[in-house]
Amino acid sequence: QVQLQESGPGLVKPSETLSLTCTVSGGSISSYYWSWIRQPAGKGLEWIGRIYTSGSTNYNPSLKSRVTMSVDTSKNQFSLKLSSVTAADTAVYYCATLSPSGSLDYWGQGTLVTVSS
Amino acid sequence: QSVLTQPPSASGTPGQRVTISCSGSSSNIGSNTVNWYQQLPGTAPKLLIYSNNQRPSGVPDRFSGSKSGTSASLAISGLQSEDEADYYCAAWDDSLNVHVVFGGGTKLTVL
Repeated sequence: QVQLQESGPGLVKPSETLSLTCTVSGGSISSYYWSWIRQPAGKGLEWIGRIYTSGSTNYNPSLKSRVTMSVDTSKNQFSLKLSSVTAADTAVYYCATLSPSGSLDYWGQGTLVTVSS
Repeated sequence: QSVLTQPPSASGTPGQRVTISCSGSSSNIGSNTVNWYQQLPGTAPKLLIYSNNQRPSGVPDRFSGSKSGTSASLAISGLQSEDEADYYCAAWDDSLNVHVVFGGGTKLTVL
């Protein structure tokens, strides 16, 4: 079974770039679409975007101007960069597999990122 | 403001049947399949129902999903205390560039 683990700084300063990595184990990174989702404390889920191993991406229109996703097949990892962050970007960030039908089948445990000076 | 609309809360007693609704539009539920997620307190969401009414391996058949037009529903029969959680619906949305949209979530309380 595929397992995912998010990693990255837990604290980012306003206006800087948030960078997270998701490490995949128990399966090939070439077999799925990969997605990022976030959840502010006490609030609902927000889809950030997806990437395939070919490098093709789709981003949430509300975040598109600030999001970049990439994949490193040699390391079985994919990454998220979110630029010009503000306090509104404070959330638990999850990585997940994304099937063609849109189901997020396997999730990481999530990592809290706080935007604060 | 979520693209898909869910009631913020629902409740039931053990053994009861509870349904949670999810309303969307022609660009999401009306033209794509619906997925449901269960999020227990302090944990990551878990896929509960995919492609409107399919259960992943390991999900009890007490959970069922349906879709009609631009709305979908999640039904939980034989309610158990461990079903107390947040439930989210989601679907692809074809407006602007293709992206996934979620409902705002429904907090289910087992009385």
